Amino acid sequence: AQKITQTQPGMFVQEKEAVTLDCTYDTSDQSYGLFWYKQPSSGEMIFLIYQGSYDEQNATEGRYSLNFQKARKSANLVISASQLGDSAMYFCAMSGNNNDMRFGAGTRLTVKP
Amino acid sequence: EAGVAQSPRYKIIEKRQSVAFWCNPISGHATLYWYQQILGQGPKLLIQFQNNGVVDDSQLPKDRFSAERLKGVDSTLKIQPAKLEDSAVYLCASSLGQGLYEQYFGPGTRLTVT
Repeated sequence: AQKITQTQPGMFVQEKEAVTLDCTYDTSDQSYGLFWYKQPSSGEMIFLIYQGSYDEQNATEGRYSLNFQKARKSANLVISASQLGDSAMYFCAMSGNNNDMRFGAGTRLTVKP
Repeated sequence: EAGVAQSPRYKIIEKRQSVAFWCNPISGHATLYWYQQILGQGPKLLIQFQNNGVVDDSQLPKDRFSAERLKGVDSTLKIQPAKLEDSAVYLCASSLGQGLYEQYFGPGTRLTVT
């Protein structure tokens, strides 16, 4: 069975600094995908970044990068140059051979001015 | 391009009543998902459709929940009868295909059961 673990219920970061949100996963699938989503207070889930299990390079999308360490089964999200608008819940998710997406419990990020 | 549409946005019902939610995915997206998000938790997949067929409904409480996607486009999720623990946000998402595609989410329907 697939499992996603986010161990940080809440994180604080100073505006313009970088922050890392942790995510570990467990799966027996050889092929899988890892996703990060942002959920602002409005409630909508916003796709941020994707990493495939066979991708050799870490994914990057603007200020977002995914630190993928396959042997450690971790897929941490790095947000550079934090902005006030980055304050939100962040969810790590995984999809495997069964095509079902499993989400972690989320991390609430607060950016301080 | 229009996003995933859901209605209603909010619904308040009493326990034992029935309720239905509607979702229209992004045009051309073959795969549609319904999730339940209880306050303070991550979304939990309830059911996944590929066109008009069910791919996965292993976490759908079938004694009270049902869903359909008759023409392979829009979908409805129904709860009958509702329980207090069904209070949650119901999210609909769609993707081009199954598995390793990003999912695009609608705004959700916030259900309160009293």
